[in-house]
Amino acid sequence: GDKVKQSPSALSLQEGTNSALRCNFSIAATTVQWFLQNPRGSLMNLFYLVPGTKENGRLKSAFDSKESYSTLHIRDAQLEDSGTYFCAAATSSGQKLVFGQGTILKVYL
Amino acid sequence: GPKVLQIPSHQIIDMGQMVTLNCDPVSNHLYFYWYKQILGQQMEFLVNFYNGKVMEKSKLFKDQFSVERPDGSYFTLKIQPTALEDSAVYFCASSSGTGGQDTQYFGPGTRLLVL
Repeated sequence: GDKVKQSPSALSLQEGTNSALRCNFSIAATTVQWFLQNPRGSLMNLFYLVPGTKENGRLKSAFDSKESYSTLHIRDAQLEDSGTYFCAAATSSGQKLVFGQGTILKVYL
Repeated sequence: GPKVLQIPSHQIIDMGQMVTLNCDPVSNHLYFYWYKQILGQQMEFLVNFYNGKVMEKSKLFKDQFSVERPDGSYFTLKIQPTALEDSAVYFCASSSGTGGQDTQYFGPGTRLLVL
């Protein structure tokens, strides 16, 4: 089964509203990265997390390694937030990132 | 922020030909990766490379694939010969620390179409 499961798979938000994306891990994740892939396909780094919380502008992310999940909160959604959000986990034994299947976010007026 | 460059951005080739994808990683980084994303699907790890050697590879890293980084030059992914199922976007990434210990920075991808 999926080692990194993202939810929801797709989301529509009205501009100015808030929402949260979630990743559940069935691997022993030690660090998590969140990315935004824009419609052209480029990946933008949003967060790199060890267990704990980080905030950057309207985005806030948390990673709980004991409960094996991570969240990404979007506050006051803007049109330019549209795209596909990926979380990816690394484990202590591996060199690679294991990606979730993505959440497609569309922000509308 | 740190930038990873990839050349070319697009490549179209005939099945059976050889293709080399080039990556210019962040300058002080030591760990290099290739990932594959088929249209509309999730990113899948292919291989990572450190100190001139492949450290880990996935089952997607077929015998037709090879990687190298001759001193001071690009980190490359070579596919020889190509197959139709190799059509995908290939992303290069690099990090200063080992994969789980430091941020991986991704390039913009090379879109490969095998006809």
